[in-house]
Amino acid sequence: DIQMTQSPASLSASLGETVTIECLASEDIYSNLAWYQQKPGKSPQLLIYDASSLQDGVPSRFSGSESGTQYSLEINSLQSEDAVTYFCQQHHDYPPTFGGGTKLELK
Amino acid sequence: EVKLVESGGGLVQPGRSLKLSCAASGFSFNDYWMGWVRQAPGKGLEWIGEINQDSSTINYTPSLKDKFTISRDNAQNTLYLQMSKLGSEDTAIYYCASVYYGLSLDYWGQGVMVTVSS
Repeated sequence: DIQMTQSPASLSASLGETVTIECLASEDIYSNLAWYQQKPGKSPQLLIYDASSLQDGVPSRFSGSESGTQYSLEINSLQSEDAVTYFCQQHHDYPPTFGGGTKLELK
Repeated sequence: EVKLVESGGGLVQPGRSLKLSCAASGFSFNDYWMGWVRQAPGKGLEWIGEINQDSSTINYTPSLKDKFTISRDNAQNTLYLQMSKLGSEDTAIYYCASVYYGLSLDYWGQGVMVTVSS
């Protein structure tokens, strides 16, 4: 299985800051990567698919990028509602696998 | 409005079976691949498997394929997950979701808790 190493596991940032969450794939996943946001007690919501395509309805302060096997989720102008947990998922190879998650907190 | 509502969870004894349901509404259920994912308490997400529109293709994470059976009833707009020989390691929230690009998941249910304990 492809391993997705997500970092950091937790992150503290201030309102208005820009934060970056990363996922390193154990092999090439050819941009077949999604990012999800999960609020406490809720199901995950798709933010980005195909590494950089913004899902409908997702604020434009969220963006995705890639460099080799490293994938990044950037959140600009951090809002209070963004202080939740984020997961990446690769779906290039079967089975799809998820990163361990990043819990984002406000300073 | 797209809605996916799981049901059938609860407390089950080790070694027993359980069948979860996922009722879909607000979209053309029979046009979509559907999948199941689980999340153990305080842990990350684990892909269980997915099923295509007419049930002709069903795939499972290899390590889980002997425990789970995915099916669907398009007439009832319902997805199912049959679970067998449950163990404590199967204690988790189980989510159904609709498959989007590749095997990303766009709409998710609220999840149903399954607790395996004597």
